[in-house]
Amino acid sequence: QSVLTQPPSASGAPGQRVTISCSVGTSNIGSKGLNWYQQLPGMAPKLLIYSNDQRPSGVPDRFSGSKSGTSASLAISGLQSEDEGDYYCATWHDTLYGWVFGGGTKLTVL
Amino acid sequence: EVQLVESGGGLVQPGRSLRLSCVASGFTFADHAMTWLRQAPGKGLEWVGFIKGNAYGGTTEIAASVKGRFTISRDDSKSIAYLQMSSLKTEDTAVYYCSRVRDVLANHVPDYWGQGTLVTVSS
Repeated sequence: QSVLTQPPSASGAPGQRVTISCSVGTSNIGSKGLNWYQQLPGMAPKLLIYSNDQRPSGVPDRFSGSKSGTSASLAISGLQSEDEGDYYCATWHDTLYGWVFGGGTKLTVL
Repeated sequence: EVQLVESGGGLVQPGRSLRLSCVASGFTFADHAMTWLRQAPGKGLEWVGFIKGNAYGGTTEIAASVKGRFTISRDDSKSIAYLQMSSLKTEDTAVYYCSRVRDVLANHVPDYWGQGTLVTVSS
Protein backbone atom coordinates (compact mmCIF):
# COMPACT_ATOMS: atom_id res chain seq x y z
CA GLN A 1 0.00 0.00 0.00
CA SER A 2 1.36 3.42 -1.00
CA VAL A 3 2.06 5.88 1.75
CA LEU A 4 0.38 8.66 -0.24
CA THR A 5 -2.45 7.79 -2.63
CA GLN A 6 -3.75 10.14 -5.31
CA PRO A 7 -6.32 9.60 -8.05
CA PRO A 8 -4.55 9.15 -11.39
CA SER A 9 -6.63 11.80 -13.14
CA ALA A 10 -8.90 14.79 -12.60
CA SER A 11 -10.59 17.18 -14.96
CA GLY A 12 -12.65 20.32 -15.08
CA ALA A 13 -13.83 23.01 -17.43
CA PRO A 14 -12.28 26.48 -17.53
CA GLY A 15 -13.51 28.59 -14.64
CA GLN A 16 -14.58 25.61 -12.57
CA ARG A 17 -13.22 24.44 -9.24
CA VAL A 18 -11.45 21.09 -9.02
CA THR A 19 -10.04 19.24 -6.05
CA ILE A 20 -7.32 16.62 -5.98
CA SER A 21 -7.15 14.29 -3.00
CA CYS A 22 -4.16 12.74 -1.28
CA SER A 23 -4.81 9.93 1.15
CA VAL A 24 -2.14 9.37 3.79
CA GLY A 25 -1.58 5.67 4.45
CA THR A 26 -0.93 5.87 8.17
CA SER A 27 -1.78 8.54 10.70
CA ASN A 28 1.82 9.29 11.68
CA ILE A 29 2.82 10.06 8.10
CA GLY A 30 2.33 13.64 7.05
CA SER A 31 2.23 14.86 10.62
CA LYS A 32 5.04 17.29 9.78
CA GLY A 33 3.01 18.77 6.94
CA LEU A 34 1.98 17.92 3.42
CA ASN A 35 3.35 19.66 0.35
CA TRP A 36 1.93 19.92 -3.17
CA TYR A 37 3.84 20.30 -6.42
CA GLN A 38 2.70 21.30 -9.88
CA GLN A 39 4.54 19.92 -12.89
CA LEU A 40 3.57 21.47 -16.18
CA PRO A 41 4.41 19.55 -19.37
CA GLY A 42 8.16 19.42 -19.97
CA MET A 43 8.93 21.48 -16.87
CA ALA A 44 10.45 20.87 -13.46
CA PRO A 45 8.13 20.51 -10.46
CA LYS A 46 7.16 23.73 -8.70
CA LEU A 47 6.14 24.04 -5.07
CA LEU A 48 2.49 25.02 -4.88
CA ILE A 49 1.51 24.43 -1.25
CA TYR A 50 3.59 23.57 1.80
CA SER A 51 2.73 22.60 5.38
CA ASN A 52 -0.78 21.56 4.31
CA ASP A 53 -2.18 24.99 3.50
CA GLN A 54 0.59 27.55 3.03
CA ARG A 55 1.22 29.20 -0.32
CA PRO A 56 4.73 30.28 -1.29
CA SER A 57 4.96 33.87 -2.48
CA GLY A 58 3.99 34.16 -6.11
CA VAL A 59 1.52 31.28 -6.11
CA PRO A 60 -1.97 32.58 -7.00
CA ASP A 61 -4.65 32.30 -4.33
CA ARG A 62 -6.66 30.17 -6.77
CA PHE A 63 -4.61 27.33 -5.31
CA SER A 64 -5.38 26.19 -1.77
CA GLY A 65 -4.59 23.18 0.37
CA SER A 66 -6.19 21.53 3.35
CA LYS A 67 -5.64 18.49 5.52
CA SER A 68 -7.83 16.70 7.99
CA GLY A 69 -6.67 13.52 9.65
CA THR A 70 -5.33 11.19 6.98
CA SER A 71 -6.88 13.09 4.08
CA ALA A 72 -5.45 16.08 2.27
CA SER A 73 -6.61 17.93 -0.78
CA LEU A 74 -5.52 20.55 -3.24
CA ALA A 75 -8.21 22.83 -4.61
CA ILE A 76 -7.86 24.87 -7.77
CA SER A 77 -10.54 27.46 -8.41
CA GLY A 78 -11.09 29.46 -11.58
CA LEU A 79 -9.49 26.67 -13.60
CA GLN A 80 -7.34 27.86 -16.49
CA SER A 81 -5.94 25.99 -19.48
CA GLU A 82 -2.41 26.66 -18.22
CA ASP A 83 -3.18 24.65 -15.07
CA GLU A 84 -3.10 21.47 -17.13
CA GLY A 85 -0.34 19.19 -15.90
CA ASP A 86 0.59 16.77 -13.14
CA TYR A 87 0.12 17.41 -9.44
CA TYR A 88 1.96 15.58 -6.68
CA CYS A 89 1.51 15.48 -2.93
CA ALA A 90 4.59 14.80 -0.84
CA THR A 91 5.66 14.61 2.76
CA TRP A 92 8.65 13.93 4.94
CA HIS A 93 8.72 10.35 6.22
CA ASP A 94 10.36 10.05 9.64
CA THR A 95 11.02 6.32 9.37
CA LEU A 96 12.49 6.42 5.88
CA TYR A 97 14.19 9.71 6.80
CA GLY A 98 13.37 11.04 3.38
CA TRP A 99 10.51 12.25 1.24
CA VAL A 100 7.67 10.21 -0.16
CA PHE A 101 5.49 11.27 -3.07
CA GLY A 102 2.04 10.37 -4.20
CA GLY A 103 1.76 8.79 -7.61
CA GLY A 104 0.61 12.05 -9.17
CA THR A 105 -2.69 13.26 -10.62
CA LYS A 106 -2.94 14.32 -14.24
CA LEU A 107 -5.21 17.36 -14.47
CA THR A 108 -7.00 17.93 -17.76
CA VAL A 109 -8.74 21.21 -18.48
CA LEU A 110 -11.64 20.36 -20.77
CA GLU B 1 16.49 35.00 -7.21
CA VAL B 2 17.11 31.38 -6.24
CA GLN B 3 18.57 29.37 -9.10
CA LEU B 4 19.63 25.75 -9.28
CA VAL B 5 21.34 24.42 -12.39
CA GLU B 6 22.07 20.73 -12.80
CA SER B 7 24.61 19.33 -15.22
CA GLY B 8 26.53 16.16 -15.95
CA GLY B 9 23.78 14.00 -17.36
CA GLY B 10 24.10 11.99 -20.54
CA LEU B 11 24.21 8.50 -22.01
CA VAL B 12 26.15 5.98 -19.95
CA GLN B 13 26.57 2.22 -20.17
CA PRO B 14 25.27 -0.07 -17.44
CA GLY B 15 27.82 -0.59 -14.67
CA ARG B 16 29.56 2.73 -15.31
CA SER B 17 29.66 5.84 -13.14
CA LEU B 18 28.49 9.41 -13.56
CA ARG B 19 28.68 12.53 -11.41
CA LEU B 20 25.97 15.16 -11.49
CA SER B 21 26.49 18.72 -10.29
CA CYS B 22 24.01 21.27 -9.01
CA VAL B 23 25.20 24.86 -8.96
CA ALA B 24 23.20 27.09 -6.63
CA SER B 25 22.85 30.84 -6.49
CA GLY B 26 20.59 33.47 -4.98
CA PHE B 27 20.68 32.19 -1.38
CA THR B 28 23.12 31.26 1.38
CA PHE B 29 23.96 27.75 0.21
CA ALA B 30 25.61 26.65 3.46
CA ASP B 31 22.42 27.30 5.42
CA HIS B 32 20.35 24.76 3.51
CA ALA B 33 20.18 21.03 3.10
CA MET B 34 20.09 19.99 -0.54
CA THR B 35 18.25 17.05 -1.96
CA TRP B 36 18.31 15.03 -5.16
CA LEU B 37 15.19 13.56 -6.73
CA ARG B 38 14.52 11.78 -9.99
CA GLN B 39 11.75 11.04 -12.43
CA ALA B 40 11.89 8.06 -14.77
CA PRO B 41 10.35 8.61 -18.21
CA GLY B 42 6.58 8.83 -17.89
CA LYS B 43 6.71 8.09 -14.17
CA GLY B 44 6.31 9.97 -10.90
CA LEU B 45 8.79 11.64 -8.60
CA GLU B 46 11.20 9.66 -6.44
CA TRP B 47 13.46 10.95 -3.68
CA VAL B 48 17.11 9.89 -4.09
CA GLY B 49 18.95 11.45 -1.17
CA PHE B 50 19.87 14.60 0.71
CA ILE B 51 22.78 16.27 2.41
CA LYS B 52 22.64 18.66 5.32
CA GLY B 53 24.63 21.86 5.37
CA ASN B 54 28.15 21.47 6.71
CA ALA B 55 27.20 23.68 9.64
CA TYR B 56 24.72 20.96 10.56
CA GLY B 57 27.15 18.11 10.18
CA GLY B 58 26.98 17.65 6.42
CA THR B 59 25.40 14.25 6.96
CA THR B 60 23.71 12.43 4.12
CA GLU B 61 20.80 10.10 3.76
CA ILE B 62 20.30 7.96 0.67
CA ALA B 63 17.12 6.20 -0.45
CA ALA B 64 17.14 2.43 -0.11
CA SER B 65 16.68 1.99 -3.86
CA VAL B 66 20.13 3.45 -4.58
CA LYS B 67 21.96 2.97 -1.29
CA GLY B 68 25.45 1.62 -1.72
CA ARG B 69 25.65 2.93 -5.30
CA PHE B 70 24.89 6.67 -4.99
CA THR B 71 26.58 9.21 -2.74
CA ILE B 72 25.97 12.91 -2.22
CA SER B 73 28.51 15.56 -1.36
CA ARG B 74 28.71 19.35 -1.36
CA ASP B 75 31.21 22.16 -1.66
CA ASP B 76 29.84 25.11 0.28
CA SER B 77 32.69 27.36 -0.94
CA LYS B 78 31.44 26.90 -4.51
CA SER B 79 27.72 26.46 -3.74
CA ILE B 80 27.65 23.12 -5.53
CA ALA B 81 25.98 19.85 -4.60
CA TYR B 82 27.04 16.61 -6.23
CA LEU B 83 25.39 13.27 -6.88
CA GLN B 84 27.91 10.52 -7.55
CA MET B 85 26.30 7.54 -9.20
CA SER B 86 28.10 4.24 -9.67
CA SER B 87 27.19 0.75 -10.87
CA LEU B 88 24.45 2.34 -12.89
CA LYS B 89 21.51 0.22 -13.98
CA THR B 90 19.04 0.70 -16.79
CA GLU B 91 16.37 1.45 -14.19
CA ASP B 92 18.36 4.51 -13.09
CA THR B 93 17.38 6.18 -16.36
CA ALA B 94 15.59 9.36 -15.32
CA VAL B 95 15.66 13.12 -15.17
CA TYR B 96 17.57 14.04 -12.03
CA TYR B 97 16.61 17.18 -10.13
CA CYS B 98 18.33 18.94 -7.28
CA SER B 99 16.27 20.94 -4.82
CA ARG B 100 16.90 23.28 -1.95
CA VAL B 101 15.37 22.24 1.37
CA ARG B 102 13.64 24.83 3.49
CA ASP B 103 12.76 23.93 7.07
CA VAL B 104 9.38 25.25 8.16
CA LEU B 105 8.97 24.33 11.82
CA ALA B 106 9.14 20.51 11.70
CA ASN B 107 8.40 20.32 7.98
CA HIS B 108 11.24 19.83 5.49
CA VAL B 109 10.21 21.37 2.21
CA PRO B 110 12.06 20.94 -1.09
CA ASP B 111 11.06 24.39 -2.29
CA TYR B 112 13.15 25.41 -5.30
CA TRP B 113 14.04 22.88 -8.00
CA GLY B 114 16.48 22.94 -10.86
CA GLN B 115 15.47 22.25 -14.44
CA GLY B 116 16.83 18.71 -14.26
CA THR B 117 19.44 16.74 -16.17
CA LEU B 118 18.67 13.55 -18.09
CA VAL B 119 20.62 10.39 -17.36
CA THR B 120 20.16 7.53 -19.79
CA VAL B 121 21.66 4.18 -18.86
CA SER B 122 21.84 1.96 -21.90
CA SER B 123 24.28 -0.24 -23.75
